Amino acid sequence: GDSVTQMEGPVTLSEEAFLTINCTYTATGYPSLFWYVQYPGEGLQLLLKATKADDKGSNKGFEATYRKETTSFHLEKGSVQVSDSAVYFCALLGTSGTYKYIFGTGTRLKVLA
Amino acid sequence: IAGITQAPTSQILAAGRRMTLRCTQDMRHNAMYWYRQDLGLGLRLIHYSNTAGTTGKGEVPDGYSVSRANTDDFPLTLASAVPSQTSVYFCASSDNRGSSEQFFGPGTRLTVL
Repeated sequence: GDSVTQMEGPVTLSEEAFLTINCTYTATGYPSLFWYVQYPGEGLQLLLKATKADDKGSNKGFEATYRKETTSFHLEKGSVQVSDSAVYFCALLGTSGTYKYIFGTGTRLKVLA
Repeated sequence: IAGITQAPTSQILAAGRRMTLRCTQDMRHNAMYWYRQDLGLGLRLIHYSNTAGTTGKGEVPDGYSVSRANTDDFPLTLASAVPSQTSVYFCASSDNRGSSEQFFGPGTRLTVL
C-alpha cells in the first residue's frame, strides 16, 4: 500500500540556517504530495503541495519539488526563522479514489535565535 | 463558523464512559475524516466519510464509531472509553478532487483515566 517516510527529528537549527527535511513515498501512479505544518497547540495547516512530476510547491519561503524518479518530496528553506519552529508532516493522496491521505510521522523543527 | 470547528477543546473522562466528539465544517466538503495524534506516531486515520450517508474504517477504528447524517457534521463516538484512547483528536475535511488538500480543525485533547 501507499506509504510516506520522513526523516526523524527533532531538527535543531540556528536562525538563518538552511533547512532540509527529507520525505520519500511509495505509491502507484502519480499521487498528490503535500507538506503540512503544525504549530504548538494547533491543527495542521497546508504549507505547500504538488500534483504532478517536476512540480515545485512553494509558500512562505519553503519549497519542495515532486521527484518521480526518486519518489521524493523534500522540504527546503534557505533561511529559517524562530517562527518556523513547528512540526512538519509530509503527506500523499493516492490515486485509488478512496480519498484517504497518508501522513508521515512528522519532523519537529526547533530554530534557535 | 469559518472552516472546521471541534468540541470540546479538551476533556477528562473516566474509563468506561461514553463520549462524543463533535466536528462541524461550513465549506460544503464531501469528505470528512477523524485522526488521532500520538507522540512519535504521527496522524492515524480512525474513520472517514467520502460523502454524506457513507462511512469507512481507517487504520485504527476499534473502539470508535462515526455517523454522517449530513454534509456538515461528523461526530466521533467512544462507546466505552479506555485509557489507550487518551490522545489528541483532529477532524478534517476535503472536497473530492484528486489534488485537493485537507483542512483541519483545532483538535480535541482527550484524557481517559
